[in-house]
Amino acid sequence: AQSVSQHNHHVILSEAASLELGCNYSYGGTVNLFWYVQYPGQHLQLLLKYFSGDPLVKGIKGFEAEFIKSKFSFNLRKPSVQWSDTAEYFCAVTPYSSASKIIFGSGTRLSIRP
Amino acid sequence: DVKVTQSSRYLVKRTGEKVFLECVQDMDHENMFWYRQDPGLGLRLIYFSYDVKMKEKGDIPEGYSVSREKKERFSLILESASTNQTSMYLCASSPGGSSLGYGYTFGSGTRLTVV
Repeated sequence: AQSVSQHNHHVILSEAASLELGCNYSYGGTVNLFWYVQYPGQHLQLLLKYFSGDPLVKGIKGFEAEFIKSKFSFNLRKPSVQWSDTAEYFCAVTPYSSASKIIFGSGTRLSIRP
Repeated sequence: DVKVTQSSRYLVKRTGEKVFLECVQDMDHENMFWYRQDPGLGLRLIYFSYDVKMKEKGDIPEGYSVSREKKERFSLILESASTNQTSMYLCASSPGGSSLGYGYTFGSGTRLTVV
């Protein structure tokens, strides 16, 4: 079965530290990939997405993610985090043949110390 | 601005009650989805719909049903609420067809507590 793995359940960083959140998926075909963010008390928002072209994608608020097909990975990065990045982050994948059903990872809670 | 609206932000229901969660989108999207979100488990798909009057089971459909009588509205029904259905319920919608890469638009969620 298709799945998405986020190995870090809770990450704690200080402001200005660099961030990398891991995401791996299990599907051999063409995929669309997403990172969503949920700030405390708010709804899920799309942070960035990949569906073709340059495997390094840039999203909102200085986030970026790199699609490495050979590793089935789509890790999220940010060079310098801020306290306002405290949120839960979800990696998600749509196998291209599944007619839009998105499969989500279990989420990574990011806490930033001011 | 596009919107997915869930009718209730918080609900408290008793065990055995029939519960209706409503979701409306104003984007003319073909696809609509119901997820539940639980700590450490992420988002799990309950049911989804590709078109009016069409529905398909997701990963955890047991104890739930859905209704889509109009394109803009997708209702989740808990036939007989149980305490293990206490959760955050999220509705989402997306365009159909060739727009696979555009992701979902989510509602704000309904936090349901069953006592």
